[in-house]
Amino acid sequence: NAGVTQTPKFRVLKTGQSMTLLCAQDMNHEYMYWYRQDPGMGLRLIHYSVGEGTTAKGEVPDGYNVSRLKKQNFLLGLESAAPSQTSVYFCASSYRARGGLKSYNEQFFGPGTRLTVL
Amino acid sequence: GQQLNQSPQSMFIQEGEDVSMNCTSSSIFNTWLWYKQEPGEGPVLLIALYKAGELTSNGRLTAQFGITRKDSFLNISASIPSDVGIYFCAGPFLPRSNDYKLSFGAGTTVTVRA
Repeated sequence: NAGVTQTPKFRVLKTGQSMTLLCAQDMNHEYMYWYRQDPGMGLRLIHYSVGEGTTAKGEVPDGYNVSRLKKQNFLLGLESAAPSQTSVYFCASSYRARGGLKSYNEQFFGPGTRLTVL
Repeated sequence: GQQLNQSPQSMFIQEGEDVSMNCTSSSIFNTWLWYKQEPGEGPVLLIALYKAGELTSNGRLTAQFGITRKDSFLNISASIPSDVGIYFCAGPFLPRSNDYKLSFGAGTTVTVRA
């Protein structure tokens, strides 16, 4: 049981290049999230998904796109990278609440991807 | 998202001492979560609080859901070197909601005093 995994762990891009970050979870979670972490700013939500085939914008979605074609995978794409997107990116997943359970607030995080855009 | 203010921004701990940190929100929350992030890792959930006044422990860590529902506190007793890391508070993205999105505070960085 690997939990939440992310690839790659590190990446350096030049301005204007594109890339895709992959997140995979083996816990059969319905909800998945992408965050970015910048010094002194905590974690900010980029996009999220409440189920296979659905995605929605979070707090800072500009410059990013996402897809969730399979329940276990959540992809984050940068079509034209900018230096402002230099950050550490975290994926997370959580259960859907059933019968009043609140576990959907308890998100499980991957180890992160450190991205530098030159 | 909601504005969460964590205090202090950073602290130095000496092995054996008790330390405290807190988090305040601009709105009433029905859930408070505390996460710890170690260097090079993703955040890991420490404690979840779901009721005003609730006091919950996880080993040497104790967290409380403030009775005003706008704050929460995390205490670490008898600090040890492996307590270093960044501690984040988090709450639902929307106030008074069981929404599945979270807002995070900026974190309290805990370092061992040499």
